[in-house]
Amino acid sequence: DAKTTQPTSMDCAEGRAANLPCNHSTISGNEYVYWYRQIHSQGPQYIIHGLKNNETNEMASLIITEDRKSSTLILPHATLRDTAVYYCIVRGVGGYQKVTFGIGTKLQVIP
Amino acid sequence: SQTIHQWPATLVQPVGSPLSLECTVEGTSNPNLYWYRQAAGRGLQLLFYSVGIGQISSEVPQNLSASRPQDRQFILSSKKLLLSDSGFYLCAWSSTGGTQYFGPGTRLLVL
Repeated sequence: DAKTTQPTSMDCAEGRAANLPCNHSTISGNEYVYWYRQIHSQGPQYIIHGLKNNETNEMASLIITEDRKSSTLILPHATLRDTAVYYCIVRGVGGYQKVTFGIGTKLQVIP
Repeated sequence: SQTIHQWPATLVQPVGSPLSLECTVEGTSNPNLYWYRQAAGRGLQLLFYSVGIGQISSEVPQNLSASRPQDRQFILSSKKLLLSDSGFYLCAWSSTGGTQYFGPGTRLLVL
């Protein structure tokens, strides 16, 4: 799996958009970008994933650069419940795929 | 819909005692199953994965073992716990090539 680089921590004001960056410069053509988050003492929660195109669901939007070397997870209106560690990972498709989680970005939403 | 269960939620065990953590998945057939460990303040480390009944692959040599006696049951075991086995243990499932979804986790403290 390609490695990812994320900032260790970020703050965001409640109600504002939270933009979490991720670098994955060694991503290969068949690898997806996945985002998970982990609220304290809980299992990681899947948020969104994408290959080339931007994606949006009820939780967030994922913006992937044209060269696919970086991406941004956007939480459009952050709430206090969005305070968590956010993990950006890349993985291939088909069969068993090992996933490597780094230390992620600690997002603190501030009232 | 699919759900994943883990128990117990919390466990305190003395050094040298045995361990058995259980994970079950509902609502899907022939899932890929995974055991991860997360040490305090660190990322997730993949311990074992299974693509079918009785099929176990180990990612790192350690004091633990895994078994898959039934299609949707995954068990993590140890004959003799070490202090270093303390951590947050997470089970996950995926369809072949699909997104991994995590359980609520078991927090293990070895004293």
